[in-house]
Amino acid sequence: GAVVSQHPSRVICKSGTSVKIECRSLDFQATTMFWYRQFPKQSLMLMATSNEGSKATYEQGVEKDKFLINHASLTLSTLTVTSAHPEDSSFYICSAIGQGAWEQYFGPGTRLTVT
Amino acid sequence: KQEVTQIPAALSVPEGENLVLNCSFTDSAIYNLQWFRQDPGKGLTSLLLIQSSQREQTSGRLNASLDKSSGRSTLYIAASQPGDSATYLCAVNYGGATNKLIFGTGTLLAVQP
Repeated sequence: GAVVSQHPSRVICKSGTSVKIECRSLDFQATTMFWYRQFPKQSLMLMATSNEGSKATYEQGVEKDKFLINHASLTLSTLTVTSAHPEDSSFYICSAIGQGAWEQYFGPGTRLTVT
Repeated sequence: KQEVTQIPAALSVPEGENLVLNCSFTDSAIYNLQWFRQDPGKGLTSLLLIQSSQREQTSGRLNASLDKSSGRSTLYIAASQPGDSATYLCAVNYGGATNKLIFGTGTLLAVQP
């Protein structure tokens, strides 16, 4: 149990375009989802926390207008990178927590390359 | 500021050796601490989770300890194997309403056959 999926696993896009990444909890209802970014040879940095039905809470230094997060249902959160630039190229990982729980379950990640 | 640091940043050992990875955190008021494994280009695999009230957790050849007062955790890997080669991350959960995880800097482990 407690499986989290991400789609796509890899995406290449041109500079200036927008990219949407999906995070799904497959066998549980996720009241909270987290989005992380990981640059090469670095650790995971939390970008934002999203609760179902409410606005996401962004970490300091993360542009909310550039990284749009939608958590419209208990099993799906999306991260849209708007007007992507090469410096947005990174590995994006989501995680999810079930209602009343505290352990985060992680997705397999999405490799974004902006050319 | 709550920070998590891991040393060493990289480690190379011959197969069969026992090894210890270290994790330190600046704020000792943790809720729990978790060790993860990450293979290149992949997501995270949870290895062990230690609650703040626990001193250690064991799973197979892995043993994780926690000393809250000194702000430290160690991951002990016994009889290392080439398949253990990966990046190991520790993450601290300070609980509260957010349940945010603060990740350490990671240790890249290479076990030589």
